[in-house]
Amino acid sequence: AQTVTQSQPEMSVQEAETVTLSCTYDTSESDYYLFWYKQPPSRQMILVIRQEAYKQQNATENRFSVNFQKAAKSFSLKISDSQLGDAAMYFCAYRIMDSNYQLIWGAGTKLIIKP
Amino acid sequence: KAGVTQTPRYLIKTRGQQVTLSCSPISGHRSVSWYQQTPGQGLQFLFEYFSETQRNKGNFPGRFSGRQFSNSRSEMNVSTLELGDSALYLCASSPAAGTGNTIYFGEGSWLTVV
Repeated sequence: AQTVTQSQPEMSVQEAETVTLSCTYDTSESDYYLFWYKQPPSRQMILVIRQEAYKQQNATENRFSVNFQKAAKSFSLKISDSQLGDAAMYFCAYRIMDSNYQLIWGAGTKLIIKP
Repeated sequence: KAGVTQTPRYLIKTRGQQVTLSCSPISGHRSVSWYQQTPGQGLQFLFEYFSETQRNKGNFPGRFSGRQFSNSRSEMNVSTLELGDSALYLCASSPAAGTGNTIYFGEGSWLTVV
């Protein structure tokens, strides 16, 4: 079965510090894409970062970076220099490369930023 | 460029009624997908449309249906509403076929069934 697991329902971090959100997934596919989405109180899903499974290099977007371990099926998100605006639900998701284009989602991690 | 637009943003319906939600994708995007988000079930895929054709459907009863028009705008319909249909319905669009394309989401339509 295709599943995504986010083992941390809630995380908190002091402003300006670094936090890592974990995500593991289960698939037998070799080609897929991985995503982290952020959902602030407005509830709009905002793409944070994406990773192509065939790429060994970890993706980075400004203060956001991932640690992609394909063999371990792990895809963690690191947020550096945390800001108050980073407070949100963070969802890990993946999409496999076949005719089914749906995203498979994790349950989400609520990130709290302490000022 | 305008983002994904969903209407209405909030609505309250009575059990047994039906509801239609609308989604206008980003200009040029031809793929539209719908997701249901509830506290208990999380995010679940409803269906995806591309060029007016439903390509994929999630595990939802037949009361949930959708369509896509020639301008890529999409609607989803839920008939015979049940209390459990109360949820945030998210629409998303992407440029074309292919799993590598990033999906962009609208702000959602909050449906409350009473």
